[in-house]
Amino acid sequence: QSALTQPRSVSGSPGQSVTISCTGTSSDVGGYNYVSWYQHHPGKAPKLMIYDVSKRPSGVPDRFSGSKSGNTASLTISGLQADDEADYYCCSFAGSSTSYVFGTGTKVTVL
Amino acid sequence: QLQLQESGPGLVKPSETLSLTCTVSGGSISNNNYHWGWVRQPPGKGLEWIGSIYYLGNTYYNPSLKSRVTMSVDTSKNQFSLKLSSVTAADTAVYYCASLIEGVAGYSWGQGTLVTVSS
Repeated sequence: QSALTQPRSVSGSPGQSVTISCTGTSSDVGGYNYVSWYQHHPGKAPKLMIYDVSKRPSGVPDRFSGSKSGNTASLTISGLQADDEADYYCCSFAGSSTSYVFGTGTKVTVL
Repeated sequence: QLQLQESGPGLVKPSETLSLTCTVSGGSISNNNYHWGWVRQPPGKGLEWIGSIYYLGNTYYNPSLKSRVTMSVDTSKNQFSLKLSSVTAADTAVYYCASLIEGVAGYSWGQGTLVTVSS
């Protein structure tokens, strides 16, 4: 069970958009529409931002959007704000025996 | 609004068993919409899914940890627990408990608790 692959870091200026990729296999990302994304500020609890590939929980701004193509899922943050600076992790369901696998994590820096 | 809170020793000796409990408030652990799980983050590393449990006792474990992990539920106390045996320094991490819904490894999260494995 290998971690999903994410870029180590992405950056953007306030107001810009950034996209984070999350690459897996047909056994996880490509096999199920169960990709979720988490925002993690150091020292705090992770926060669910996107689930089921593209759904937003109540209270998450629509600046955050998710998509998937084949074995790669993506998170896009539009209108980047200072508070968006955090680590972001994708996660995919990977079948009943493995259950879930997280991505390697991406640090988003707001310039 | 579900709230989760981890508790347990912050220091465990090598080869011993790490034991943590998560107390759920704001909802019933017997709610059939949820599973309950654990995720950890070693220092400087990413998140790792440990496993999850349903209130009836069905468990799902990370294959890489399966031989050392045991999870249980106490519905009378609205709590669920994690035991990780034969720990080493590699098990030093912040441990989070979380609620799961279908396809989502962490719907609501606890604040996390640091467990250090050291003699």
